[in-house]
Amino acid sequence: DQQVKQNSPSLSVQEGRISILNCDYTNSMFDYFLWYKKYPAEGPTFLISISSIKDKNEDGRFTVFLNKSAKHLSLHIVPSQPGDSAVYFCAAPSSLMNNNAGNMLTFGGGTRLMVKP
Amino acid sequence: DTGVSQDPRHKITKRGQNVTFRCDPISEHNRLYWYRQTLGQGPEFLTYFQNEAQLEKSRLLSDRFSAERPKGSFSTLEIQRTEQGDSAMYLCASAKTGNYGYTFGSGTRLTVV
Repeated sequence: DQQVKQNSPSLSVQEGRISILNCDYTNSMFDYFLWYKKYPAEGPTFLISISSIKDKNEDGRFTVFLNKSAKHLSLHIVPSQPGDSAVYFCAAPSSLMNNNAGNMLTFGGGTRLMVKP
Repeated sequence: DTGVSQDPRHKITKRGQNVTFRCDPISEHNRLYWYRQTLGQGPEFLTYFQNEAQLEKSRLLSDRFSAERPKGSFSTLEIQRTEQGDSAMYLCASAKTGNYGYTFGSGTRLTVV
């Protein structure tokens, strides 16, 4: 049961153009979403997040859009740079059953972004 | 803040051997998580510590896996009688109470031959 899905395993864009990475979720209890970026041989690093009370959050070249009715979010990178080439994961936290103070992140399968110079 | 450290970075072991990985979280983070990532997949939750207490374990964590966090500081993940299916990247992450986001370490890549 994949609660968070990233249906595009890879995306290739030209430097300077927009990159759009998509993510769908099935659990309507999710109320917060995060995007992580991962370079080879490194752990994922936090990029940007959004609460379900918003439909957009922007941080520099990165913008995340949330469509709650469609259970869909997207990450826009404008303009794309070669250094953005990495695997991007969307994730949603859910409370751990035994301790409401903790949470686990459910990750999508990732999208590999390649930005060509 | 030196980040989350994991050791070793790479481990190659023969099937049936035991392996142990170490994670040193960010010092002020009381929460510690272990995740596993296989090729082409996102990280999958294994277990969670709040301070020294292991509060949650995934069903992915078979009896061959054990994790500890003595004194609420560093953590170890041990895999006994390794199998080829255990080959994966093992990621440790830490967080402060109240934060949704984690800080991940660089991971330990395990190859079982």
